[in-house]
Amino acid sequence: EAQVTQNPRYLITVTGKKLTVTCSQNMNHEYMSWYRQDPGLGLRQIYYSMNVEVTDKGDVPEGYKVSRKEKRNFPLILESPSPNQTSLYFCASSPRTGEQYFGPGTRLTVT
Amino acid sequence: AQRVTQPEKLLSVFKGAPVELKCNYSYSGSPELFWYVQYSRQRLQLLLRHISRESIKGFTADLNKGETSFHLKKPFAQEEDSAMYYCALRASGTYKYIFGTGTRLKVLA
Repeated sequence: EAQVTQNPRYLITVTGKKLTVTCSQNMNHEYMSWYRQDPGLGLRQIYYSMNVEVTDKGDVPEGYKVSRKEKRNFPLILESPSPNQTSLYFCASSPRTGEQYFGPGTRLTVT
Repeated sequence: AQRVTQPEKLLSVFKGAPVELKCNYSYSGSPELFWYVQYSRQRLQLLLRHISRESIKGFTADLNKGETSFHLKKPFAQEEDSAMYYCALRASGTYKYIFGTGTRLKVLA
């Protein structure tokens, strides 16, 4: 089944403890992206990648890192999480035509 | 600045009534516009895009460059249309997306 997967789906952590949220797609899409969804703010793009080893900042990149070493994977790294990064995170992939396929979401709580 | 505005947080209509979800954008180039939908307990999924000009689940949207709008319309709402709807813009030549804040549609029986 063609899909985007994210792990973990739920995560509770403490301030400053490094974490990684994985994202994988099996559709051979070139483009991948990370978003955070917050009440009243909609989805905001954190980082995106147009190909292996090619990444760029979205609107809210502060406090996040990404890497794209393989086409199918695009992990999101929080080196030192803070409470303001408590949010619902979505990964998405896209073919060149632009329509995005979203993962199920990861709910992160930083205490 | 690039921006997508969905002025209504919540829109309630009765079953069978027409629906219009508003989306206005601000972008200096030629944007690609999309509508995404999120049903309860499901992931976001593409509803339609302005390039394809097709009708999905009875919904249509026309890009009006003069008014910089991409409103989503359906002539007769169904209860299963109840969901969160997001308008999104892709900056031309990039993979940079801007989403609106979303409109929750409730279709009442």
